[in-house]
Amino acid sequence: GEDVEQSLFLSVREGDSSVINCTYTDSSSTYLYWYKQEPGAGLQLLTYIFSNMDMKQDQRLTVLLNKKDKHLSLRIADTQTGDSAIYFCAECPSTTSGTYKYIFGTGTRLKVLA
Amino acid sequence: KAGVTQTPRYLIKTRGQQVTLSCSPISGHRSVSWYQQTPGQGLQFLFEYFSETQRNKGNFPGRFSGRQFSNSRSEMNVSTLELGDSALYLCASSLAAGADTQYFGPGTRLTVL
Repeated sequence: GEDVEQSLFLSVREGDSSVINCTYTDSSSTYLYWYKQEPGAGLQLLTYIFSNMDMKQDQRLTVLLNKKDKHLSLRIADTQTGDSAIYFCAECPSTTSGTYKYIFGTGTRLKVLA
Repeated sequence: KAGVTQTPRYLIKTRGQQVTLSCSPISGHRSVSWYQQTPGQGLQFLFEYFSETQRNKGNFPGRFSGRQFSNSRSEMNVSTLELGDSALYLCASSLAAGADTQYFGPGTRLTVL
């Protein structure tokens, strides 16, 4: 199917690490993405990983990719209250007509407790 | 470089009316995609335009339409509004069509009464 799955909620204490998980559907996606959405705002691109990589680190963010299990995760180190938001993973597989279409996960609401 | 802009940011309409939303992509970007975001359905793809041509379309009724102009700006139109059309409409731009990285605007919040 087309569903990209994420857990709905995650609550962590300030200073701890957060790990947000995603299971995607299509191994033809060249890139896999993580977006952040704060209340009342659009989606902000956080980071992305090329499909032939296992890991990518970008400051406090670490993305892990397990292609065999179609599993993507985003780790946020030293989580801050400003990290409270909804996080979306996204894949962009090719379609039967040869075009590409982004598919977004359901979003994980991260709540950081002070 | 300015980001993706969307106008208006907020809109209130009544059932049966029609509405037009506008999106200006990042300078140099030629592809514009539209999404509908609702609490129940999440982010759903509406359509993608590149060089004034619709390249891809989601599963929405014909009441939802769009177009792109030669300067890459895009508009989407919803006719005969229904209560269920209340949503955040997001526009994303990318350099090229297809699998290129998308950058989102702040969205237009549409409320249908």
